[in-house]
Amino acid sequence: QQQVKQSPQSLIVQKGGISIINCAYENTAFDYFPWYQQFPGKGPALLIAIRPDVSEKKEGRFTISFNKSAKQFSLHIMDSQPGDSATYFCAASLSGNFNKFYFGSGTKLNVKP
Amino acid sequence: IAGITQAPTSQILAAGRRMTLRCTQDMRHNAMYWYRQDLGLGLRLIHYSNTAGTTGKGEVPDGYSVSRANTDDFPLTLASAVPSQTSVYFCASSESGTPNEKLFFGSGTQLSVL
Repeated sequence: QQQVKQSPQSLIVQKGGISIINCAYENTAFDYFPWYQQFPGKGPALLIAIRPDVSEKKEGRFTISFNKSAKQFSLHIMDSQPGDSATYFCAASLSGNFNKFYFGSGTKLNVKP
Repeated sequence: IAGITQAPTSQILAAGRRMTLRCTQDMRHNAMYWYRQDLGLGLRLIHYSNTAGTTGKGEVPDGYSVSRANTDDFPLTLASAVPSQTSVYFCASSESGTPNEKLFFGSGTQLSVL
């Protein structure tokens, strides 16, 4: 049973559009929510992360929105570019649960020129 | 600086054979991890190590073993491979293994067990 559920499985967006990827979790003890970006043939790399004491975090064109009451968080990519085409994974972890990250199933994003 | 180096890049293995996937890091990170990545399932933790000499089980440890003789190396061994172990394997590291740390991943090993 997956601790973090991610949708959609794949996403096609036109260049300049907004890409939105959603994740939901059950364990209210989770207190760290990173997003990882993975290009073909490469390992995932940390993109952006948020803690539940804030509702939004923005870094450049990438924004995480966090809804604690709904136990959901999402990644928004503004002005999507072909270079953003990659697989995106959300994840969650909790303090005291050493080393344990729970990853979503991944979203393959294709940004068309 | 290479970061994390995994070898081999890909491997086709007959069922029942023994295989060791190699992982080396040059960042002097204390914590290291092995994940497997399967379509529709994301990344699942196999084993981890908080420091040299210690290891722990993750979500899906059955059929795998690890060792951590020193800080830099963290090999993953499949004692008798089965087709369900066909996957992409990623080695990762983090500075100390404390929760909420950034994970650094290698480029992966594509393993096919026939």
